[in-house]
Amino acid sequence: DAGVTQSPTHLIKTRGQHVTLRCSPISGHKSVSWYQQVLGQGPQFIFQYYEKEERGRGNFPDRFSARQFPNYSSELNVNALLLGDSALYLCASSLGTGRAYNEQFFGPGTRLTVL
Amino acid sequence: KQEVTQIPAALSVPEGENLVLNCSFTDSAIYNLQWFRQDPGKGLTSLLLIQSSQREQTSGRLNASLDKSSGRSTLYIAASQPGDSATYLCAAKRRTANSKLTFGKGITLSVRP
Repeated sequence: DAGVTQSPTHLIKTRGQHVTLRCSPISGHKSVSWYQQVLGQGPQFIFQYYEKEERGRGNFPDRFSARQFPNYSSELNVNALLLGDSALYLCASSLGTGRAYNEQFFGPGTRLTVL
Repeated sequence: KQEVTQIPAALSVPEGENLVLNCSFTDSAIYNLQWFRQDPGKGLTSLLLIQSSQREQTSGRLNASLDKSSGRSTLYIAASQPGDSATYLCAAKRRTANSKLTFGKGITLSVRP
């Protein structure tokens, strides 16, 4: 079975540009969450979507947005990129949000470098 | 606000040693606690998940325990091998309607041959 997939693997952008990151969850999983991990830190929660609705938002500026599609895949968009947005962006999927369905499975991540 | 702490930040042990990695959290009202492994530049691999109603979980040479009252979890690795070298992160999920995990910074483990 395929795990969580993310594209692209690596991305280099310049300040002020816009970026779109993509994630496909494990088949049957309806919840997708996005995390940002800067070097030497643990991942920080950005968004969670479940059944195409936003269920949670972390402490990130409005430059960050996301959406979930009918097939449960998801996009994370970041506008007006800053140097500080350079990080590993991780996508996680789970069956749902209830206690019994909340085990998170992570993808390989997208490494974003902002120059 | 949930805060998760992992100390020390790095650990180096000889091959074959049994070791314990510690994780502490401030809010005991958690749904579950999950341990992950991360290789350099890679994503996270789920190792063990402990529900709040459980005290421990085991998978192969790994055993994770949870003590909500003291706000602590431990990951025990038996007979460590060089292939166990990686960063180990713990993450707590609070009792909220979303799936947000709060992570520690991780412990970078090096197992010397």
